Amino acid sequence: AQSVTQPDIHITVSEGASLELRCNYSYGATPYLFWYVQSPGQGLQLLLKYFSGDTLVQGIKGFEAEFKRSQSSFNLRKPSVHWSDAAEYFCAVAPFTGGGNKLTFGTGTQLKVEL
Amino acid sequence: DVKVTQSSRYLVKRTGEKVFLECVQDMDHENMFWYRQDPGLGLRLIYFSYDVKMKEKGDIPEGYSVSREKKERFSLILESASTNQTSMYLCASSHGGANTEAFFGQGTRLTVV
Repeated sequence: AQSVTQPDIHITVSEGASLELRCNYSYGATPYLFWYVQSPGQGLQLLLKYFSGDTLVQGIKGFEAEFKRSQSSFNLRKPSVHWSDAAEYFCAVAPFTGGGNKLTFGTGTQLKVEL
Repeated sequence: DVKVTQSSRYLVKRTGEKVFLECVQDMDHENMFWYRQDPGLGLRLIYFSYDVKMKEKGDIPEGYSVSREKKERFSLILESASTNQTSMYLCASSHGGANTEAFFGQGTRLTVV
């Protein structure tokens, strides 16, 4: 069975500082990987996704993530955080075979941005 | 833009009531999903449907059922609501096959008293 671990429950960074949110997955084959963001009281918005090819993927709002197969990781990064990035971030994995695109989510990382 | 619409943002129901949560998508997606979101637990899949009248159990189906009579609509049913079903419920949809992403609704915050 697939699983996702986000080891950091809360992270606080200063505005303008760099950010890295960690994500480790467990899956027996090549996974599809996703990062979603959820602002308070809202649904989830897709930041970026990895299906195949280049292991460094670019997303919206200046985010990027790098797929490292050897480490089973898919960490999210942003070089300079803005106050509006404060939200909860979820990493997710779906089976490569499609599997109905059933996503398995991590428990989320709550990002706080200090001005 | 893809739109996934959940009929209610907030609901308050009494213990033992039958509760219907409705979700509609406008992009002709084959797959639809119901997730439950709880603090510290992330999102957990309750049920999903890959076609009209087709459904599969997710990770936490107990106490829930679903209905998909039309392609665009997916309903989550709590047969007899209990306080431990107080939660945020998120509906999502996606195209069938590989290389597709899921689009989420705004969520329904259900409180069972």
